[in-house]
Amino acid sequence: GDSVTQMEGPVTLSEEAFLTINCTYTATGYPSLFWYVQYPGEGLQLLLKATKADDKGSNKGFEATYRKETTSFHLEKGSVQVSDSAVYFCALSEGRSGGGADGLTFGKGTHLIIQP
Amino acid sequence: SAVISQKPSRDICQRGTSLTIQCQVDSQVTMMFWYRQQPGQSLTLIATANQGSEATYESGFVIDKFPISRPNLTFSTLTVSNMSPEDSSIYLCSVRQGNGYTFGSGTRLTVV
Repeated sequence: GDSVTQMEGPVTLSEEAFLTINCTYTATGYPSLFWYVQYPGEGLQLLLKATKADDKGSNKGFEATYRKETTSFHLEKGSVQVSDSAVYFCALSEGRSGGGADGLTFGKGTHLIIQP
Repeated sequence: SAVISQKPSRDICQRGTSLTIQCQVDSQVTMMFWYRQQPGQSLTLIATANQGSEATYESGFVIDKFPISRPNLTFSTLTVSNMSPEDSSIYLCSVRQGNGYTFGSGTRLTVV
């Protein structure tokens, strides 16, 4: 079945540091890939997405590129801020047709802590 | 994107009882999803709810424990039945629109 593997935290960085959170996946088809963020005390929010190989999703200074050859979707940001402290989830959707479940498969989440 | 109202936002329940969680969407959607997020864990898909048909459950989840209703294209309920402390989790509903998914704010359930 489908699976998502991401680095587990907590990951602690200083403000303005470069961030990479690794994410790799296994899927039978050609999934869409997502990064979701969960800020303390808040719900799950879509951060960015990519639907096909070589697509780059970007939002709020975060970027991730859909790499089919390495089955990866690593999240990066050039200069993190204290306000980026949150839990980040990598996820995929196979988008299967013909009935059956079509929800998201999530990684375990990475707790990011940014220190001033 | 769709706006999802989920309630209750939290509840503390006695073991052996049942809780029904409601999810209301501000637009019509074909597919609604229910997830569980156990403490300190990731989200796991429980089932997919389509209007007019029985929900499709993921491996490890059964209808007797998590019955789902989907009476129309904007509403769904998830019931957690015969609860035990192991059911203490955050339960979230979600809808798919286009290439993206939107989530409700979740129901934090504690079973004592």
